[in-house]
Amino acid sequence: AQTVTQSQPEMSVQEAETVTLSCTYDTSESDYYLFWYKQPPSRQMILVIRQEAYKQQNATENRFSVNFQKAAKSFSLKISDSQLGDAAMYFCAYRSRTNAGKSTFGDGTTLTVKP
Amino acid sequence: NAGVTQTPKFQVLKTGQSMTLQCAQDMNHEYMSWYRQDPGMGLRLIHYSVGAGITDQGEVPNGYNVSRSTTEDFPLRLLSAAPSQTSVYFCASSRAGDLTYEQYFGPGTRLTVT
Repeated sequence: AQTVTQSQPEMSVQEAETVTLSCTYDTSESDYYLFWYKQPPSRQMILVIRQEAYKQQNATENRFSVNFQKAAKSFSLKISDSQLGDAAMYFCAYRSRTNAGKSTFGDGTTLTVKP
Repeated sequence: NAGVTQTPKFQVLKTGQSMTLQCAQDMNHEYMSWYRQDPGMGLRLIHYSVGAGITDQGEVPNGYNVSRSTTEDFPLRLLSAAPSQTSVYFCASSRAGDLTYEQYFGPGTRLTVT
C-alpha cells in the first residue's frame, strides 16, 4: 500500500519570506500523480499544485513550486513571498493510475505566517 | 454549479444510533470518496466509488456502509455510532480519465458521538 509522510507537523515563516514543506511517499508504481492541498481554518480543501510523475520538470503555480525527486520519492512544496493568507494546513496527496479512484494523504503540516 | 454538497454540517449522535451523511455533486464526476479527518491529522479514506453501482473499501471502512445508485449521490451510513467515529467527514469527487484531475471537496460534516 502507498504511504505519504509529512515529517513537519508545524512550520512557521515570516511574511514575505520563503518556506519549504516536505513530503515523502512510498510506492512501487511508476505512473502516479502528486498533489498539494491547502486547508484554511474554514476547512475547505483547495488544490495548490499538482505534479505528474513522468514529467521531469517541476510544477509551478505563481508563488508555489515543487521540488520533485522521483528516485528519492520526495515532493516538497516551496512557498515564496509568503502572505498572511497562506496560513493553513497543507496536505500532500498521492494518486496512482492503477487505482485512480482513491487518493492517499499525509498527516499535514500546519503553516503559520508571522507578520 | 453547487459543486459538492454535504448535509448536515453538524450532527451529535448517541452511541448506538445510526445515521446517513449525505453527499451530492452536480459536476457529473465518476469518482466519489468519503474521508474522515481526526484532529491534527490527515484525511483517511473510508470508502470510494468509481461509478454508479461500484464501490470499494478504503483504509478505515469498519462501521460504515456506502452505496452509489446514481452518479450524483454517494451517502455514507453509520450503522451503530461509536465515540471513535467522532470526526469531521469529507466527501470528494473528481472526473475519471485523467489523473491530473483534482478532487473537489465538500465543506465537511462535523460529527460528535457521545
